[in-house]
Amino acid sequence: EVQLVQSGAEVKKPGESLRISCQGSGYTFTKYWIVWVRQKAGKGLEWMGVMYPGDSDIRITPSFQGQVTISADKSINTAYLQWSSLKASDTALYYCARRHEDGAGGLDVWGQGTTVIVSS
Amino acid sequence: AIQMTQSPSSLSASVGDRVTITCRASQGIGDELGWYQHKPGKAPRLLIYATSTLQSGVPLRFSGSGSGTDFTLTISSLQPEDVATYYCLQDYNYPQTFGQGTKVEI
Repeated sequence: EVQLVQSGAEVKKPGESLRISCQGSGYTFTKYWIVWVRQKAGKGLEWMGVMYPGDSDIRITPSFQGQVTISADKSINTAYLQWSSLKASDTALYYCARRHEDGAGGLDVWGQGTTVIVSS
Repeated sequence: AIQMTQSPSSLSASVGDRVTITCRASQGIGDELGWYQHKPGKAPRLLIYATSTLQSGVPLRFSGSGSGTDFTLTISSLQPEDVATYYCLQDYNYPQTFGQGTKVEI
């Protein structure tokens, strides 16, 4: 079964660091981009950025550049979304999804989502 | 970045109604558009990619059309399980961009 499994919910304080993960299985991890999507409470989906584990190509939308780091460890089929200093405004639900290397087929498999709460 | 303008932001319809949601891109994107269904507490689900190709397992009452800058998602006969928020997403280039979403209620 093709799936993306995300790490569990996190509760952090402002200024703390955090890394959440997204592990793929059932497919060739290096042939699909991994996309990260944010949803704040009561708001729509926001496309944050993408990484191609095959060659570590990374694209991050301007509003998130400098705010998050995207990476992957292809030896364990896992992608990461990381913050060095969390803000309360990072409180949200984060999804990962896969996109075929040639861009065809949309975001066809999604992780279950990781809730991040940042509160003092 | 390409802007995606989706309308309406919400709608209420009856079971069996035909429902149409539109998405307009700020520049031409060919046919590189997908539609997603998102229910509370669940991950988004791909319904349609490449404007009109139905993802495997998606009911035939869902269809997509359009090209260039104007796109449409149609639910031919609304069912109770279709209550959700629907998003378009352009696949043309990075950064990809979602529409603002359309909340469909019955």
